[in-house]
Amino acid sequence: DGGITQSPKYLFRKEGQNVTLSCEQNLNHDAMYWYRQDPGQGLRLIYYSQIVNDFQKGDIAEGYSVSREKKESFPLTVTSAQKNPTAFYLCASRDRGRLLTNYGYTFGSGTRLTVV
Amino acid sequence: GNSVTQMEGPVTLSEEAFLTINCTYTATGYPSLFWYVQYPGEGLQLLLKATKADDKGSNKGFEATYRKETTSFHLEKGSVQVSDSAVYFCALNTDKLIFGTGTRLQVFP
Repeated sequence: DGGITQSPKYLFRKEGQNVTLSCEQNLNHDAMYWYRQDPGQGLRLIYYSQIVNDFQKGDIAEGYSVSREKKESFPLTVTSAQKNPTAFYLCASRDRGRLLTNYGYTFGSGTRLTVV
Repeated sequence: GNSVTQMEGPVTLSEEAFLTINCTYTATGYPSLFWYVQYPGEGLQLLLKATKADDKGSNKGFEATYRKETTSFHLEKGSVQVSDSAVYFCALNTDKLIFGTGTRLQVFP
Protein backbone atom coordinates (compact mmCIF):
# COMPACT_ATOMS: atom_id res chain seq x y z
CA ASP A 1 0.00 0.00 0.00
CA GLY A 2 1.20 3.51 -0.74
CA GLY A 3 1.77 5.99 2.01
CA ILE A 4 4.12 8.23 3.92
CA THR A 5 6.61 6.87 6.43
CA GLN A 6 8.11 9.03 9.12
CA SER A 7 10.89 7.75 11.29
CA PRO A 8 11.62 7.45 14.08
CA LYS A 9 8.34 7.77 15.97
CA TYR A 10 10.12 9.12 19.06
CA LEU A 11 13.41 11.00 19.06
CA PHE A 12 15.47 12.43 21.88
CA ARG A 13 18.13 15.04 21.34
CA LYS A 14 20.59 16.75 23.59
CA GLU A 15 20.69 20.52 23.54
CA GLY A 16 23.11 21.87 20.96
CA GLN A 17 22.86 18.87 18.63
CA ASN A 18 21.42 18.77 15.15
CA VAL A 19 18.96 15.99 14.38
CA THR A 20 17.36 14.83 11.13
CA LEU A 21 13.81 13.55 10.80
CA SER A 22 13.04 11.23 7.93
CA CYS A 23 10.03 11.42 5.62
CA GLU A 24 9.60 8.99 2.72
CA GLN A 25 6.60 8.57 0.41
CA ASN A 26 5.81 6.02 -2.28
CA LEU A 27 2.74 7.80 -3.60
CA ASN A 28 4.60 9.45 -6.49
CA HIS A 29 3.50 12.82 -5.11
CA ASP A 30 5.26 15.94 -6.33
CA ALA A 31 4.78 18.20 -3.31
CA MET A 32 5.90 17.54 0.25
CA TYR A 33 5.45 19.52 3.45
CA TRP A 34 6.72 19.69 7.02
CA TYR A 35 4.48 20.90 9.83
CA ARG A 36 5.15 21.43 13.50
CA GLN A 37 2.41 20.78 16.05
CA ASP A 38 2.40 22.33 19.53
CA PRO A 39 -0.43 22.04 22.06
CA GLY A 40 -3.06 24.70 21.52
CA GLN A 41 -1.39 26.08 18.39
CA GLY A 42 -2.49 23.72 15.69
CA LEU A 43 -0.12 22.95 12.84
CA ARG A 44 2.36 25.45 11.51
CA LEU A 45 4.16 25.10 8.20
CA ILE A 46 7.97 24.85 8.41
CA TYR A 47 9.08 24.14 4.83
CA TYR A 48 7.54 22.81 1.65
CA SER A 49 8.74 21.55 -1.69
CA GLN A 50 6.72 21.53 -4.90
CA ILE A 51 9.31 19.68 -7.02
CA VAL A 52 12.64 17.96 -6.65
CA ASN A 53 15.62 20.25 -5.91
CA ASP A 54 13.35 23.12 -4.93
CA PHE A 55 11.82 24.14 -1.60
CA GLN A 56 10.36 27.21 0.09
CA LYS A 57 10.22 28.49 3.65
CA GLY A 58 6.96 28.25 5.49
CA ASP A 59 5.83 30.35 8.42
CA ILE A 60 8.38 29.12 10.99
CA ALA A 61 11.50 28.08 9.02
CA GLU A 62 14.09 29.58 11.37
CA GLY A 63 16.30 26.92 12.92
CA TYR A 64 15.32 24.27 10.38
CA SER A 65 16.73 23.07 7.07
CA VAL A 66 15.52 20.67 4.39
CA SER A 67 16.65 19.01 1.17
CA ARG A 68 14.75 17.47 -1.73
CA GLU A 69 17.23 15.44 -3.75
CA LYS A 70 14.73 12.71 -4.57
CA LYS A 71 11.01 12.86 -5.22
CA GLU A 72 10.34 10.26 -2.54
CA SER A 73 12.28 11.88 0.29
CA PHE A 74 12.07 15.18 2.17
CA PRO A 75 14.23 15.06 5.33
CA LEU A 76 14.01 17.82 7.93
CA THR A 77 17.02 18.84 10.02
CA VAL A 78 16.36 20.54 13.32
CA THR A 79 19.47 22.57 14.02
CA SER A 80 20.91 23.82 17.28
CA ALA A 81 19.66 27.27 16.26
CA GLN A 82 16.06 26.20 16.85
CA LYS A 83 15.36 27.59 20.30
CA ASN A 84 12.42 25.41 21.25
CA PRO A 85 12.52 22.22 19.19
CA THR A 86 10.44 19.94 21.42
CA ALA A 87 7.28 19.28 19.40
CA PHE A 88 5.39 16.82 17.23
CA TYR A 89 6.49 16.96 13.59
CA LEU A 90 4.25 15.90 10.74
CA CYS A 91 5.19 15.32 7.13
CA ALA A 92 2.63 15.47 4.31
CA SER A 93 2.52 15.06 0.55
CA ARG A 94 0.22 16.01 -2.30
CA ASP A 95 -0.04 15.24 -5.98
CA ARG A 96 0.28 18.52 -7.88
CA GLY A 97 -0.76 16.79 -11.04
CA ARG A 98 -4.36 16.90 -9.86
CA LEU A 99 -6.34 20.12 -9.75
CA LEU A 100 -4.99 22.14 -6.86
CA THR A 101 -8.34 22.68 -5.25
CA ASN A 102 -9.64 19.17 -5.61
CA TYR A 103 -7.24 17.08 -3.66
CA GLY A 104 -6.38 16.66 -0.03
CA TYR A 105 -3.08 15.84 1.53
CA THR A 106 -1.70 12.57 2.88
CA PHE A 107 0.00 12.75 6.27
CA GLY A 108 2.58 10.58 7.96
CA SER A 109 2.12 9.36 11.52
CA GLY A 110 4.53 11.91 12.94
CA THR A 111 7.77 12.11 14.93
CA ARG A 112 7.77 13.35 18.50
CA LEU A 113 11.04 15.15 19.20
CA THR A 114 12.11 15.84 22.76
CA VAL A 115 15.16 17.85 23.74
CA VAL A 116 16.75 16.57 26.94
CA GLY B 1 -3.70 36.72 4.45
CA ASN B 2 -5.47 33.38 4.55
CA SER B 3 -6.49 32.04 7.94
CA VAL B 4 -8.79 29.59 9.71
CA THR B 5 -10.51 30.13 13.05
CA GLN B 6 -11.97 27.25 15.05
CA MET B 7 -13.91 27.18 18.27
CA GLU B 8 -11.78 26.43 21.28
CA GLY B 9 -12.13 23.13 23.03
CA PRO B 10 -12.38 20.84 24.64
CA VAL B 11 -15.88 19.96 23.60
CA THR B 12 -17.28 17.42 26.04
CA LEU B 13 -20.37 15.41 25.09
CA SER B 14 -22.25 12.32 26.15
CA GLU B 15 -22.59 9.48 23.69
CA GLU B 16 -25.38 10.03 21.11
CA ALA B 17 -25.35 13.81 21.59
CA PHE B 18 -25.35 16.22 18.63
CA LEU B 19 -21.99 17.72 17.69
CA THR B 20 -21.14 21.07 16.14
CA ILE B 21 -17.61 22.40 15.81
CA ASN B 22 -17.50 25.87 14.31
CA CYS B 23 -14.99 26.88 11.67
CA THR B 24 -14.72 30.17 9.79
CA TYR B 25 -12.11 31.20 7.28
CA THR B 26 -10.55 34.20 5.60
CA ALA B 27 -9.20 33.69 2.12
CA THR B 28 -8.72 35.33 -1.23
CA GLY B 29 -10.05 33.41 -4.17
CA TYR B 30 -11.91 30.14 -3.80
CA PRO B 31 -10.10 27.74 -1.51
CA SER B 32 -10.94 24.13 -0.89
CA LEU B 33 -11.96 23.38 2.69
CA PHE B 34 -11.15 20.30 4.74
CA TRP B 35 -11.74 18.68 8.08
CA TYR B 36 -8.97 16.45 9.40
CA VAL B 37 -9.08 14.21 12.46
CA GLN B 38 -6.17 13.24 14.70
CA TYR B 39 -6.48 10.32 17.09
CA PRO B 40 -4.11 10.18 20.08
CA GLY B 41 -0.47 9.66 19.09
CA GLU B 42 -1.22 9.55 15.37
CA GLY B 43 -0.94 11.74 12.30
CA LEU B 44 -3.84 13.45 10.54
CA GLN B 45 -6.51 11.70 8.52
CA LEU B 46 -8.72 13.45 6.02
CA LEU B 47 -12.29 13.32 7.32
CA LEU B 48 -14.13 15.24 4.61
CA LYS B 49 -13.69 18.01 2.09
CA ALA B 50 -15.59 20.51 -0.06
CA THR B 51 -14.19 22.28 -3.08
CA LYS B 52 -16.77 24.95 -3.92
CA ALA B 53 -19.59 26.98 -2.43
CA ASP B 54 -22.63 25.00 -1.24
CA ASP B 55 -20.76 21.69 -1.52
CA LYS B 56 -21.45 19.33 1.37
CA GLY B 57 -18.67 17.00 2.45
CA SER B 58 -19.66 13.90 4.41
CA ASN B 59 -17.99 10.84 5.87
CA LYS B 60 -18.62 8.45 8.80
CA GLY B 61 -21.74 10.40 9.81
CA PHE B 62 -19.92 13.75 9.86
CA GLU B 63 -21.02 16.57 7.56
CA ALA B 64 -19.88 20.08 6.71
CA THR B 65 -21.25 22.56 4.16
CA TYR B 66 -19.12 25.15 2.40
CA ARG B 67 -20.91 28.45 3.08
CA LYS B 68 -19.35 31.25 1.08
CA GLU B 69 -21.77 33.91 2.31
CA THR B 70 -20.77 33.31 5.94
CA THR B 71 -17.24 32.03 5.16
CA SER B 72 -17.92 29.00 7.31
CA PHE B 73 -17.43 25.24 7.22
CA HIS B 74 -18.94 23.96 10.47
CA LEU B 75 -18.56 20.27 11.30
CA GLU B 76 -21.66 18.39 12.49
CA LYS B 77 -22.62 14.90 13.54
CA GLY B 78 -26.04 13.83 14.66
CA SER B 79 -25.00 11.22 17.23
CA VAL B 80 -21.43 11.00 18.49
CA GLN B 81 -19.73 7.86 19.77
CA VAL B 82 -16.93 7.37 22.28
CA SER B 83 -14.71 6.38 19.34
CA ASP B 84 -15.12 9.88 17.87
CA SER B 85 -12.97 11.30 20.67
CA ALA B 86 -10.08 13.01 18.90
CA VAL B 87 -8.77 16.41 17.82
CA TYR B 88 -10.47 17.91 14.78
CA PHE B 89 -8.75 20.41 12.49
CA CYS B 90 -10.40 22.67 9.97
CA ALA B 91 -8.14 23.65 7.06
CA LEU B 92 -8.17 25.55 3.81
CA ASN B 93 -6.05 24.98 0.75
CA THR B 94 -4.78 27.46 -1.78
CA ASP B 95 -1.18 26.66 -2.71
CA LYS B 96 -0.56 25.28 0.78
CA LEU B 97 -2.66 23.90 3.59
CA ILE B 98 -3.50 26.30 6.43
CA PHE B 99 -4.91 24.86 9.65
CA GLY B 100 -7.02 26.08 12.49
CA THR B 101 -5.77 25.47 16.02
CA GLY B 102 -7.76 22.26 16.43
CA THR B 103 -10.69 21.36 18.67
CA ARG B 104 -10.48 18.46 21.07
CA LEU B 105 -13.66 16.38 21.31
CA GLN B 106 -14.22 14.15 24.33
CA VAL B 107 -17.19 11.78 24.27
CA PHE B 108 -18.20 9.95 27.43
CA PRO B 109 -20.44 6.88 27.68
